[in-house]
Amino acid sequence: EIVLTQSPATLSLSPGERATLSCRASQSVSNYLGWYQQKPGQAPRLLIYDASNRATGIAARFSGSGSGTDFTLTISSLEPEDFALYYCQQRSDWPITFGQGTRLEIK
Amino acid sequence: QITLKESGPTLVKPTQTLTLTCTFSGFSPSSGGAGVGWIRQPPGKALEWLALIYWDDDKRYSPSLKSRLTITKDTSKNQVVLTMTNMDPVDTATYYCAHSDLTGPSQYFFDYWGQGTLVTVSS
Repeated sequence: EIVLTQSPATLSLSPGERATLSCRASQSVSNYLGWYQQKPGQAPRLLIYDASNRATGIAARFSGSGSGTDFTLTISSLEPEDFALYYCQQRSDWPITFGQGTRLEIK
Repeated sequence: QITLKESGPTLVKPTQTLTLTCTFSGFSPSSGGAGVGWIRQPPGKALEWLALIYWDDDKRYSPSLKSRLTITKDTSKNQVVLTMTNMDPVDTATYYCAHSDLTGPSQYFFDYWGQGTLVTVSS
């Protein structure tokens, strides 16, 4: 199974700053990687699919990049509502796997 | 508008079988392209994919749980059912069902989710 390792575990930033979250795969997943945002008590929300494509309705400040084993989710200028948990997910091979998450908290 | 909602027991005893139902609207699994998956999340922990059922009734399971899981669909009721046998306290989690467009650009990612249902396993 493909293991996804997210870093850092926790990221402390202030509103307006740029956030960079990382997801590393144990083997190549090509570009078949996505990102989700999860707020307390809510279901995850798809942000990015296939490494760099924003899902419907997702703000332009969210962007994804990478291929192979190394991927990045960037939030260009943090809004108060962006402080949440973020998970990556790969669809390159079965089973579908998720990373362990990065918590983005207000500094 | 696609919506999904999970239902089932909130408390099960160890060794019992859990049956969860996902009732959906806004899409038809029989019309091609749609899939419904189950994902769980233990309290304070990460997401774990469990199973997926295709519009043509093909099914995929997490290898680590495959022997305990069964996923089925009832298109006449717009429902997908997940059963998990031999429940254990480590299976305590919020269980989500989610939609995936298996032929579209975001295939095999989950673009619509239910609200989740917390299942506690305890005697």
